[in-house]
Amino acid sequence: NAGVTQTPKFQVLKTGQSMTLQCAQDMNHEYMSWYRQDPGMGLRLIHYSVGAGITDQGEVPNGYNVSRSTTEDFPLRLLSAAPSQTSVYFCASSKLAGGTGELFFGEGSRLTVL
Amino acid sequence: AQKVTQAQTEISVVEKEDVTLDCVYETRDTTYYLFWYKQPPSGELVFLIRRNSFDEQNEISGRYSWNFQKSTSSFNFTITASQVVDSAVYFCALSGMNTGFQKLVFGTGTRLLVSP
Repeated sequence: NAGVTQTPKFQVLKTGQSMTLQCAQDMNHEYMSWYRQDPGMGLRLIHYSVGAGITDQGEVPNGYNVSRSTTEDFPLRLLSAAPSQTSVYFCASSKLAGGTGELFFGEGSRLTVL
Repeated sequence: AQKVTQAQTEISVVEKEDVTLDCVYETRDTTYYLFWYKQPPSGELVFLIRRNSFDEQNEISGRYSWNFQKSTSSFNFTITASQVVDSAVYFCALSGMNTGFQKLVFGTGTRLLVSP
Protein backbone atom coordinates (compact mmCIF):
# COMPACT_ATOMS: atom_id res chain seq x y z
CA ASN A 1 0.00 0.00 0.00
CA ALA A 2 1.85 3.11 -1.25
CA GLY A 3 -0.38 5.70 0.48
CA VAL A 4 0.31 9.22 -0.85
CA THR A 5 3.05 9.52 -3.46
CA GLN A 6 4.58 12.84 -4.46
CA THR A 7 6.95 13.50 -7.33
CA PRO A 8 9.47 14.94 -7.74
CA LYS A 9 11.12 14.97 -4.32
CA PHE A 10 13.50 17.76 -5.30
CA GLN A 11 13.30 20.40 -8.01
CA VAL A 12 15.21 23.54 -8.90
CA LEU A 13 13.53 26.09 -11.12
CA LYS A 14 14.43 29.44 -12.56
CA THR A 15 12.13 32.40 -12.03
CA GLY A 16 9.34 32.33 -14.59
CA GLN A 17 9.51 28.63 -15.35
CA SER A 18 6.48 26.43 -14.91
CA MET A 19 6.19 23.00 -13.40
CA THR A 20 3.75 20.51 -11.94
CA LEU A 21 4.07 18.70 -8.66
CA GLN A 22 2.37 15.34 -8.90
CA CYS A 23 0.37 13.73 -6.12
CA ALA A 24 -1.34 10.36 -6.20
CA GLN A 25 -3.06 8.33 -3.51
CA ASP A 26 -4.26 4.73 -3.61
CA MET A 27 -6.55 4.80 -0.57
CA ASN A 28 -9.68 5.91 -2.45
CA HIS A 29 -9.81 9.09 -0.38
CA GLU A 30 -12.18 11.78 -1.56
CA TYR A 31 -10.37 14.65 0.16
CA MET A 32 -6.95 15.79 -1.05
CA SER A 33 -4.97 18.92 -0.30
CA TRP A 34 -1.70 20.74 -0.84
CA TYR A 35 0.27 22.49 1.90
CA ARG A 36 3.48 24.45 1.85
CA GLN A 37 5.88 24.46 4.78
CA ASP A 38 8.15 27.41 5.39
CA PRO A 39 10.51 28.00 8.33
CA GLY A 40 8.73 29.56 11.27
CA MET A 41 5.35 29.47 9.53
CA GLY A 42 4.12 25.94 9.98
CA LEU A 43 2.03 24.42 7.22
CA ARG A 44 -0.30 26.56 5.17
CA LEU A 45 -3.09 25.25 2.98
CA ILE A 46 -2.78 26.11 -0.71
CA HIS A 47 -5.70 24.30 -2.37
CA TYR A 48 -7.92 21.39 -1.55
CA SER A 49 -10.42 19.10 -3.23
CA VAL A 50 -13.37 17.22 -1.80
CA GLY A 51 -13.75 14.96 -4.81
CA ALA A 52 -13.15 14.59 -8.54
CA GLY A 53 -14.05 17.78 -10.37
CA ILE A 54 -14.23 19.90 -7.20
CA THR A 55 -11.43 22.16 -5.98
CA ASP A 56 -11.26 25.18 -3.73
CA GLN A 57 -8.75 27.68 -2.42
CA GLY A 58 -6.96 27.48 0.86
CA GLU A 59 -5.03 30.11 2.77
CA VAL A 60 -2.29 30.86 0.20
CA PRO A 61 -3.61 30.00 -3.31
CA ASN A 62 -1.98 32.77 -5.36
CA GLY A 63 0.46 31.53 -7.96
CA TYR A 64 -0.85 27.95 -7.89
CA ASN A 65 -3.42 26.03 -9.90
CA VAL A 66 -4.94 22.64 -9.24
CA SER A 67 -7.30 20.24 -10.92
CA ARG A 68 -8.89 16.96 -9.88
CA SER A 69 -9.88 14.82 -12.83
CA THR A 70 -9.70 11.54 -10.94
CA THR A 71 -10.07 10.46 -7.32
CA GLU A 72 -6.45 9.33 -7.24
CA ASP A 73 -4.58 12.34 -8.61
CA PHE A 74 -4.27 15.96 -7.48
CA PRO A 75 -1.49 17.82 -9.30
CA LEU A 76 -0.28 21.26 -8.24
CA ARG A 77 0.83 23.62 -11.01
CA LEU A 78 3.13 26.61 -10.76
CA LEU A 79 2.54 28.63 -13.90
CA SER A 80 5.35 31.16 -13.46
CA ALA A 81 7.61 30.30 -10.55
CA ALA A 82 8.81 33.04 -8.20
CA PRO A 83 11.51 32.91 -5.49
CA SER A 84 8.74 33.32 -2.89
CA GLN A 85 7.52 29.87 -3.89
CA THR A 86 10.69 28.26 -2.64
CA SER A 87 9.32 25.88 -0.05
CA VAL A 88 8.61 22.29 0.89
CA TYR A 89 5.29 21.12 -0.48
CA PHE A 90 3.18 18.40 1.04
CA CYS A 91 0.23 16.63 -0.48
CA ALA A 92 -2.25 15.03 1.89
CA SER A 93 -5.40 12.97 1.65
CA SER A 94 -8.16 11.98 4.01
CA LYS A 95 -11.08 9.62 4.05
CA LEU A 96 -13.18 12.29 5.79
CA ALA A 97 -13.39 16.03 5.26
CA GLY A 98 -9.89 17.42 5.61
CA GLY A 99 -10.48 18.91 8.99
CA THR A 100 -12.25 16.06 10.69
CA GLY A 101 -10.12 13.01 10.14
CA GLU A 102 -6.55 11.91 9.97
CA LEU A 103 -4.57 13.43 7.12
CA PHE A 104 -2.17 11.09 5.33
CA PHE A 105 0.81 13.03 4.02
CA GLY A 106 3.23 12.39 1.21
CA GLU A 107 6.96 12.62 1.81
CA GLY A 108 7.17 16.17 0.56
CA SER A 109 8.67 17.94 -2.45
CA ARG A 110 11.44 20.46 -1.90
CA LEU A 111 11.26 23.23 -4.49
CA THR A 112 13.89 25.92 -4.98
CA VAL A 113 13.23 28.85 -7.28
CA LEU A 114 16.30 30.84 -8.29
CA ALA B 1 -10.76 33.64 12.03
CA GLN B 2 -9.09 30.58 13.37
CA LYS B 3 -5.64 30.64 14.83
CA VAL B 4 -3.29 28.22 16.56
CA THR B 5 -0.41 29.48 18.67
CA GLN B 6 2.53 27.37 19.69
CA ALA B 7 4.61 29.83 21.64
CA GLN B 8 7.47 27.43 22.32
CA THR B 9 9.72 27.49 19.28
CA GLU B 10 12.21 24.95 20.57
CA ILE B 11 12.53 22.85 23.71
CA SER B 12 15.58 20.88 24.77
CA VAL B 13 15.40 18.15 27.38
CA VAL B 14 17.51 15.26 28.53
CA GLU B 15 16.24 11.75 28.04
CA LYS B 16 13.73 10.55 30.67
CA GLU B 17 12.55 14.07 31.47
CA ASP B 18 8.87 14.88 31.09
CA VAL B 19 8.03 17.66 28.66
CA THR B 20 4.84 19.57 27.82
CA LEU B 21 4.20 21.21 24.49
CA ASP B 22 1.71 24.04 24.64
CA CYS B 23 -1.04 24.76 22.13
CA VAL B 24 -3.49 27.66 22.39
CA TYR B 25 -6.22 28.08 19.82
CA GLU B 26 -8.72 30.73 18.77
CA THR B 27 -12.03 30.07 17.10
CA ARG B 28 -15.57 31.38 17.16
CA ASP B 29 -16.97 28.00 16.22
CA THR B 30 -18.72 25.96 18.85
CA THR B 31 -17.89 22.78 16.96
CA TYR B 32 -14.29 22.19 16.01
CA TYR B 33 -11.54 19.60 15.90
CA LEU B 34 -8.02 19.75 17.30
CA PHE B 35 -5.07 17.69 16.16
CA TRP B 36 -1.43 17.00 16.88
CA TYR B 37 1.02 15.90 14.19
CA LYS B 38 4.66 14.86 14.51
CA GLN B 39 7.38 15.61 11.97
CA PRO B 40 10.55 13.62 12.73
CA PRO B 41 13.91 14.62 11.19
CA SER B 42 13.14 12.43 8.18
CA GLY B 43 10.48 14.99 7.23
CA GLU B 44 7.24 13.05 6.97
CA LEU B 45 4.17 14.17 8.92
CA VAL B 46 2.51 11.68 11.22
CA PHE B 47 -0.92 11.96 12.81
CA LEU B 48 -0.95 11.61 16.61
CA ILE B 49 -4.41 12.51 17.86
CA ARG B 50 -7.74 14.14 17.04
CA ARG B 51 -10.10 15.69 19.53
CA ASN B 52 -13.54 17.24 18.97
CA SER B 53 -14.80 20.21 20.91
CA PHE B 54 -17.39 18.20 22.79
CA ASP B 55 -14.94 15.77 24.31
CA GLU B 56 -12.81 17.33 27.02
CA GLN B 57 -11.60 14.09 28.48
CA ASN B 58 -7.86 13.81 28.70
CA GLU B 59 -6.31 11.07 26.65
CA ILE B 60 -3.32 8.89 27.33
CA SER B 61 -1.50 6.71 24.83
CA GLY B 62 1.58 5.10 26.26
CA ARG B 63 4.02 7.87 27.16
CA TYR B 64 1.88 10.47 25.40
CA SER B 65 -0.98 12.37 27.00
CA TRP B 66 -3.14 15.27 25.93
CA ASN B 67 -4.93 17.83 28.09
CA PHE B 68 -7.82 19.63 26.42
CA GLN B 69 -9.27 22.60 28.32
CA LYS B 70 -11.94 24.69 26.62
CA SER B 71 -11.88 27.22 29.47
CA THR B 72 -8.34 28.24 28.50
CA SER B 73 -8.58 27.29 24.79
CA SER B 74 -5.64 24.98 25.18
CA PHE B 75 -4.76 21.51 23.93
CA ASN B 76 -1.42 20.65 25.49
CA PHE B 77 0.68 17.59 24.77
CA THR B 78 2.85 15.90 27.38
CA ILE B 79 5.54 13.31 26.77
CA THR B 80 6.48 11.35 29.86
CA ALA B 81 9.97 9.93 30.20
CA SER B 82 11.10 11.38 26.89
CA GLN B 83 13.31 9.40 24.55
CA VAL B 84 15.71 10.39 21.79
CA VAL B 85 13.21 9.08 19.23
CA ASP B 86 10.78 11.76 20.39
CA SER B 87 13.00 14.40 18.83
CA ALA B 88 10.84 16.03 16.18
CA VAL B 89 8.79 19.07 15.31
CA TYR B 90 5.28 18.85 16.71
CA PHE B 91 2.37 20.70 15.17
CA CYS B 92 -0.98 21.51 16.70
CA ALA B 93 -3.85 22.13 14.27
CA LEU B 94 -7.49 23.22 14.26
CA SER B 95 -10.48 22.97 11.94
CA GLY B 96 -13.86 24.54 12.48
CA MET B 97 -17.43 24.39 11.35
CA ASN B 98 -17.25 27.78 9.64
CA THR B 99 -15.12 26.26 6.87
CA GLY B 100 -17.17 23.09 6.73
CA PHE B 101 -14.21 21.39 8.42
CA GLN B 102 -12.43 21.46 5.08
CA LYS B 103 -9.48 23.61 6.12
CA LEU B 104 -6.94 22.65 8.73
CA VAL B 105 -5.02 25.54 10.32
CA PHE B 106 -1.63 24.63 11.74
CA GLY B 107 0.46 26.28 14.40
CA THR B 108 4.07 27.15 13.68
CA GLY B 109 5.33 24.05 15.45
CA THR B 110 7.56 23.28 18.42
CA ARG B 111 10.90 21.62 17.84
CA LEU B 112 11.70 19.12 20.58
CA LEU B 113 15.29 18.02 21.04
CA VAL B 114 15.86 15.07 23.37
CA SER B 115 19.48 14.40 24.16
CA PRO B 116 20.86 11.16 25.62
